[in-house]
Amino acid sequence: GNSVTQMEGPVTLSEEAFLTINCTYTATGYPSLFWYVQYPGEGLQLLLKATKADDKGSNKGFEATYRKETTSFHLEKGSVQVSDSAVYFCALPTQQAGTALIFGKGTTLSVSS
Amino acid sequence: GAVVSQHPSWVICKSGTSVKIECRSLDFQATTMFWYRQFPKQSLMLMATSNEGSKATYEQGVEKDKFLINHASLTLSTLTVTSAHPEDSSFYICSAPEGPYEQYFGPGTRLTVT
Repeated sequence: GNSVTQMEGPVTLSEEAFLTINCTYTATGYPSLFWYVQYPGEGLQLLLKATKADDKGSNKGFEATYRKETTSFHLEKGSVQVSDSAVYFCALPTQQAGTALIFGKGTTLSVSS
Repeated sequence: GAVVSQHPSWVICKSGTSVKIECRSLDFQATTMFWYRQFPKQSLMLMATSNEGSKATYEQGVEKDKFLINHASLTLSTLTVTSAHPEDSSFYICSAPEGPYEQYFGPGTRLTVT
């Protein structure tokens, strides 16, 4: 079945630093790929997604490109803020669109001013 | 975007009692909903798939007699933790897909069994 491997943290950065969180996957075909964010004490929120190879998902200054050659979907942000402190999860469907998601182990990001 | 709610958001119960958690899709219909479990500082693990009008499908290792799932309508799924024990204390999250790419998550229910 599909699987995902995500860089584990914690990641500690200063405000305005560059962020990369690595995510690689194994899957049959080319499933949609997702990044979710969980702020302290809150539920999961979709951060961005890419539905086909070479797509770039972006939101709130975060970006991730669906690269089928390297089976990767790394999350990047050019300048992080304190408000970006959260746990980030890479995810993909278990089998096909509309099914449950498999999540990476999550990466905790802490940004200090 | 679509909204999924969960109730209660936090519950404390005594060991041996049962607890029911509700998951509702507020502005769309969901023939399928998913239940996940998240331990502190860990990832979400799929527990089961809730299907409207049929039995739930449980993941390997999840006790179906302990975690009872009922998909009562196109907008409501319930998870009942029966005879709860302290090791059942966790964060339970439901989600509902809308279309092929969107999946909406509830805010989660924190269960503490004393």
